[in-house]
Amino acid sequence: DGGITQSPKYLFRKEGQNVTLSCEQNLNHDAMYWYRQDPGQGLRLIYYSQIVNDFQKGDIAEGYSVSREKKESFPLTVTSAQKNPTAFYLCASSIEGQGIYGYTFGSGTRLTVV
Amino acid sequence: KQEVTQIPAALSVPEGENLVLNCSFTDSAIYNLQWFRQDPGKGLTSLLLIQSSQREQTSGRLNASLDKSSGRSTLYIAASQPGDSATYLCAVKGGLNTNAGKSTFGDGTTLTVKP
Repeated sequence: DGGITQSPKYLFRKEGQNVTLSCEQNLNHDAMYWYRQDPGQGLRLIYYSQIVNDFQKGDIAEGYSVSREKKESFPLTVTSAQKNPTAFYLCASSIEGQGIYGYTFGSGTRLTVV
Repeated sequence: KQEVTQIPAALSVPEGENLVLNCSFTDSAIYNLQWFRQDPGKGLTSLLLIQSSQREQTSGRLNASLDKSSGRSTLYIAASQPGDSATYLCAVKGGLNTNAGKSTFGDGTTLTVKP
């Protein structure tokens, strides 16, 4: 079945560490997105990519980095510069980045700073 | 900048009741509006996608409407069941000064259906 796979489901980070969250899709979608969700708040866009080898900052990109070397993969690195990384991270994809298409989401990664 | 509001933040109803969830947005120049369901600790599951040219979409007991001119959408759930208990989010794609590839999400309405 086609879909989006996020791993790991739970991730623990020590202070000062960089960690990478994985997002893989087999839907042949061009566009991919990373969102952050905090309790009581909606989803906030971190980064998005509309095509391979290209990506743009979202509303809260500071302290995060991404790459898009393959169409299927859009990993997110949470760097030590991100001061409050504890949150639920959601990856999404869309057939293309413009216009009429909706989103498909993965099951999320919960990141906790210990 | 597009802003999306969902009221109420929480709703509790007895089983079998019909109910309406509301979503409002500030900029009507949208491409589409999508309703999602989120169970605790899980990702978002798409329920209905309404294109800007459409007025409504239906799937089973769910019906979503879109009124672009007033900046409003409603999600109607018929004959609610305890299994419908979840958080429902709406997302609006596009808008003036908003990249067409980006969606703006509301904070969601948490629905509890009591047996």
